[in-house]
Amino acid sequence: EPEVTQTPSHQVTQMGQEVILRCVPISNHLYFYWYRQILGQKVEFLVSFYNNEISEKSEIFDDQFSVERPDGSNFTLKIRSTKLEDSAMYFCASSEEGAGETQYFGPGTRLLVL
Amino acid sequence: GESVGLHLPTLSVQEGDNSIINCAYSNSASDYFIWYKQESGKGPQFIIDIRSNMDKRQGQRVTVLLNKTVKHLSLQIAATQPGDSAVYFCAAYSGGYQKVTFGTGTKLQVIP
Repeated sequence: EPEVTQTPSHQVTQMGQEVILRCVPISNHLYFYWYRQILGQKVEFLVSFYNNEISEKSEIFDDQFSVERPDGSNFTLKIRSTKLEDSAMYFCASSEEGAGETQYFGPGTRLLVL
Repeated sequence: GESVGLHLPTLSVQEGDNSIINCAYSNSASDYFIWYKQESGKGPQFIIDIRSNMDKRQGQRVTVLLNKTVKHLSLQIAATQPGDSAVYFCAAYSGGYQKVTFGTGTKLQVIP
């Protein structure tokens, strides 16, 4: 069964450093998403992406965040200058269609900012 | 904004019993709902969905009930098994569907 994959599984970085989290969505999916889950809290939407541009973004997704689909398979989330409060689990998801379609989640990348 | 919440943070059930997990949402414009299961260290996994034009939907061992009048939905798991132990989130779609807002989650513990 096709699945969303994410790398790395864990990332430790120093405050102020840039990090890039990588995702490989399911191959025939057209819509891509990033979510985060701070430890012990609910999952929060960050951004959705379709046709090489951002469709929606939340208030969390400020100028420090960016997304990119650099090739036909990868979907990346970049945090330019990490802050302590960026420590969280980051989930990538993809869906075949946008409206009302099931999103399939990857296993997540646990980011720890020191 | 959307507010999705769960009534009980932890639910313990005996193996073989039925489980009922409840969820309330606040945005009356929400028209698509999903229940997700999240096992420790993993991403949310789709269980079952329901659209607002339905009151009930059944899957394999799971049933979702939607009461739009009181903005409430529930997940029923029949014959709960140890493998059902996880955190269950309800989620509501609104404003274009591409964004999903999750509740805080209910931890289901199955007692063998």
